[in-house]
Amino acid sequence: DIQMTQSPSPLSASVGDRVTITCRASQSIPGWLAWYQQKPGKAPKLLIYKASSLESGVPSRFSGSGSGTEFTLTISGLQPDDFASYYCQQYNSYPYTFGQGTKLEIK
Amino acid sequence: QVQLVESGGSVVQPGRSLRLSCAASGFTFSRDAMHWVRQAPGRGLEWVAIISYDGSNKYYADSVKGRFTISRDDSKKTVYLQMNSLRGEDTALYYCARDGGNSGFLAHWGQGTLVTVSS
Repeated sequence: DIQMTQSPSPLSASVGDRVTITCRASQSIPGWLAWYQQKPGKAPKLLIYKASSLESGVPSRFSGSGSGTEFTLTISGLQPDDFASYYCQQYNSYPYTFGQGTKLEIK
Repeated sequence: QVQLVESGGSVVQPGRSLRLSCAASGFTFSRDAMHWVRQAPGRGLEWVAIISYDGSNKYYADSVKGRFTISRDDSKKTVYLQMNSLRGEDTALYYCARDGGNSGFLAHWGQGTLVTVSS
């Protein structure tokens, strides 16, 4: 199975900051990676798919990059609504797997 | 708009069975793969299972293989998760999700149904 490891966790930041979350795969997954945002008591929401494709309706301050085994999610200009947990997911091979999550907290 | 509504969660004793349902609307159900994902209390997301758009292919997480079965009924626009031999570690909020273009990412999620395995 492919292991997904996210860092850092947690992550403390302030409104207006630029933050980056990293996701590493235990083996190459080309670009088959998605990012999700989850707020307390809510279902996850898709942000990015295929490593860098922005889901419709997601603000452009979110961006994804990477390939192979290392990927990043960047939020440029943090907004109050962005403080949440973030998960990466590989869909290169079964079983699909998620990272352990990164909780983005207000500094 | 896409809607996914899970049901069937409850408190169940270890070793017993439970069937979850997920009713879909707002999209052409028969064209899309569907997933189940779970989240134990205070923990992260765990992918559980997928069924292809035509029901011909099913894959499972190692932790549930041989105990859980995913199925679909396109006439009812519903996906199911039959859970047998339940264990305490199966306690979680279970989400169903619509695949994004049969690619593998989870484009739309339901609100979840809670399964508690306890004696």
